[in-house]
Parts: sequence; C-alpha cells; structure tokens
Amino acid sequence: AQKVTQAQTEISVVEKEDVTLDCVYETRDTTYYLFWYKQPPSGELVFLIRRNSFDEQNEISGRYSWNFQKSTSSFNFTITASQVVDSAVYFCALSANNNDMRFGAGTRLTVKP
Amino acid sequence: GAVVSQHPSWVICKSGTSVKIECRSLDFQATTMFWYRQFPKQSLMLMATSNEGSKATYEQGVEKDKFLINHASLTLSTLTVTSAHPEDSSFYICSAEGAPQILYEQYFGPGTRLTVT
Repeated sequence: AQKVTQAQTEISVVEKEDVTLDCVYETRDTTYYLFWYKQPPSGELVFLIRRNSFDEQNEISGRYSWNFQKSTSSFNFTITASQVVDSAVYFCALSANNNDMRFGAGTRLTVKP
Repeated sequence: GAVVSQHPSWVICKSGTSVKIECRSLDFQATTMFWYRQFPKQSLMLMATSNEGSKATYEQGVEKDKFLINHASLTLSTLTVTSAHPEDSSFYICSAEGAPQILYEQYFGPGTRLTVT
C-alpha cells in the first residue's frame, strides 16, 4: 500500500522567511516517483518537480529546493526567501508500479507581507 | 506539450439531474486517464482509472453506477455524475497518461467545479 503523509496542515510565514514543507512516504515498491504540486486558489495543479526512487540528488530550482532521503522516506520541499505569491496549498504525491498516484493531505502555506 | 483540458470549468445543476464532464488530451494520446475528486480544503482522492476501450476501474467506495466513466477514444474521457445530489458538489480533476510518456507521470486538467443545488 502506498501512503503519503504531510504532517503540516497549515504554515504561516512572513515574507522573505525560508520555509520547509515536509513529506514522508510509504511504499513497498522499489521503483517509484515522487512529486510536488502547487495548487493556487484557482484550483489548477501546478507541477513543481518529479524525482525517481533511484535519484537521491537534491535539486534546486531558483528559490525552490528539494531534499530526497530514502533512508527516512522523506521528500521535503524548501522555499527560500518566501514571497506572497508562494501562498497556496502544496501537495506531495507518490506514484509506483501501478501508476496509481497517491496524494498527501496537503500543506496550506500562507506568506504574509 | 502534454496539455489536458476539461469542460466545463464549472457547472451548477439541480439535484436529481445528470452532469457530464469531459477530459481531453490535446496534443497526445492518453492510454490511461484518471479521475479525482477534491472536497474543499481536502486532498485529491482517486475515483477511478480508465483505459481506452475498456471498463473503468473504480476505487473502493466509489459508486460506479453513479459516476459513469467512458474512455471511448485515446483523447477523450467523460465522467457523468448521474442523479446528482448536493453531497456530490466537489472539484473534479482528471489526469492523463500516455505518449509522450514519461513513466509514472500524469498530466492534470484544470478541474471542473460542480455545484449541485
């Protein structure tokens, strides 16, 4: 069974602060992909990153960075110098051999000016 | 590339009526399409998986007679909510997988907001 846990329901920060969104996953498959999506108020999912289970390299894209740790089954997402436009719900998701994507509960991030 | 559209983007219907939502892959052939439902302030829950030309596979607890899914072509899947009730009001999102295929990746549509009065 696959499971994604995002323990942080809501996070509120002040602009320019760094913030880390946690994601812990469970799967018995050895091959799987992890994703992060952003869902602004409009509702449309915005793809942020895909990482496969064989690639533990951390990734940085502008103010975004991701830390993948297989040893702790975590795939955390950090926003550096947060901005008001970063306010959204962020979902971590897992897709394994059956291509069945499971989403975490989501973390609502509010960045205050 | 890999664009998925949904129509309508929002719909309001009366209780007891049926509503059809379309999901189209615009620039690729979708061998598999997925339908999700998202209640306010909640996560996306997979409702069903459909493969072109075959019957959809429904997740446990999803009524197949109420949520009719048809995947008649490689670019179109439809979800029909039959005899809709206010508790069916939700945000419905489809996703598609296919060529150009990146293994395990799904491309999401913009969603359809259904309100049943």
